[in-house]
Amino acid sequence: RKEVEQDPGPFNVPEGATVAFNCTYSNSASQSFFWYRQDCRKEPKLLMSVYSSGNEDGRFTAQLNRASQYISLLIRDSKLSDSATYLCAVTGHQLTFGKGTKLSVIP
Amino acid sequence: GAGVSQSPSNKVTEKGKDVELRCDPISGHTALYWYRQRLGQGLEFLIYFQGNSAPDKSGLPSDRFSAERTGESVSTLTIQRTQQEDSAVYLCASSLALPGAFSGNTIYFGEGSWLTVV
Repeated sequence: RKEVEQDPGPFNVPEGATVAFNCTYSNSASQSFFWYRQDCRKEPKLLMSVYSSGNEDGRFTAQLNRASQYISLLIRDSKLSDSATYLCAVTGHQLTFGKGTKLSVIP
Repeated sequence: GAGVSQSPSNKVTEKGKDVELRCDPISGHTALYWYRQRLGQGLEFLIYFQGNSAPDKSGLPSDRFSAERTGESVSTLTIQRTQQEDSAVYLCASSLALPGAFSGNTIYFGEGSWLTVV
């Protein structure tokens, strides 16, 4: 099992839709979890950390399920500008990234 | 500077030549990471440095790859005898401490060094 796995997509959704991404991780000792956004040919940028109780930032909600070892990202009311690749990252010995899920929001 | 700075931004080199990539982390950041990302692929961990501790080199793909860091400042990633499969963007990142050390410890990436081996 890979350390961090994501559905590569692409997810093609209309503007205004709600879309959810999941990410599974194999290291049960992982302590910190993150979602990054990466635009084409750009560096990853932190979107949000994921806390045990779940957290929300505007249209974005992140949740952690330690028992099942996955984290999720929910985007509500999708905008064209949300089109990007979304990477989950998990701490172990270092910060390990999933391969990312590509999202395209269509007018 | 305010962010992680990498140079060169772009490098085209001939197969077999050595290349050196530089990373200048955010001032005060003790942790520094190198990742590689091939076109259309995910981030591949290469190495990280944490203060004066021995670096974690577990991600370096071969002995042609090496990296150094002086104290808590600049790091260089060296690739010897480059091969076409080394073509990728090499991303450097830094943070105040190792991931998970405390809530809110954020890793910041530089814009990357795009390497093309011809």
